[in-house]
Amino acid sequence: EAGVVQSPRYKIIEKKQPVAFWCNPISGHNTLYWYLQNLGQGPELLIRYENEEAVDDSQLPKDRFSAERLKGVDSTLKIQPAELGDSAVYLCASSYSGPRETQYFGPGTRLLVL
Amino acid sequence: GEDVEQSLFLSVREGDSSVINCTYTDSSSTYLYWYKQEPGAGLQLLTYIFSNMDMKQDQRLTVLLNKKDKHLSLRIADTQTGDSAIYFCAESLKEGYSTLTFGKGTMLLVSP
Repeated sequence: EAGVVQSPRYKIIEKKQPVAFWCNPISGHNTLYWYLQNLGQGPELLIRYENEEAVDDSQLPKDRFSAERLKGVDSTLKIQPAELGDSAVYLCASSYSGPRETQYFGPGTRLLVL
Repeated sequence: GEDVEQSLFLSVREGDSSVINCTYTDSSSTYLYWYKQEPGAGLQLLTYIFSNMDMKQDQRLTVLLNKKDKHLSLRIADTQTGDSAIYFCAESLKEGYSTLTFGKGTMLLVSP
């Protein structure tokens, strides 16, 4: 079974530029998560989707971050414009729907903003 | 508050047992998890324990939960160099949701 796929794996951009990350969850997983992992920290939830609906986006900085999951499968996370402090690892995870379902993580996208 | 705390670093010799500790503050936690992250990789679920359990064993891994002290530990028996990684403790807080709150991670270094 294929795991959670993310691309690109690495991205280097200059500040004020836009950037987008893509995630393909495990087949059959209705729930999709985007996490932010700063250096030396654990992951922090940015947004959670149930199918195509964003059910928890309370930690998403909506002034510059946006996300979509139009058909309830793949998802894109965008930052526009990027700031130096956005340099981090962006992790995507997926799970079956329902409480306490195990989350499976992708390898992450490492973003460096110069 | 919702805080998960871990010691930052542990060094052991190959063949020894490793014990990684975690404390959490929210008594309403339902599940507690241990994830492993190798360099440049995502998080891999190792094991989890439901909050009404005291212990869970899975091959070389033993999880102990002390609900009174809100203390969770992960014991790795016969630690191997391939176990070198960062280990994250996480708690699932909200009934009906699967939102996880992670600690900062413990870096385990296994020397030959």
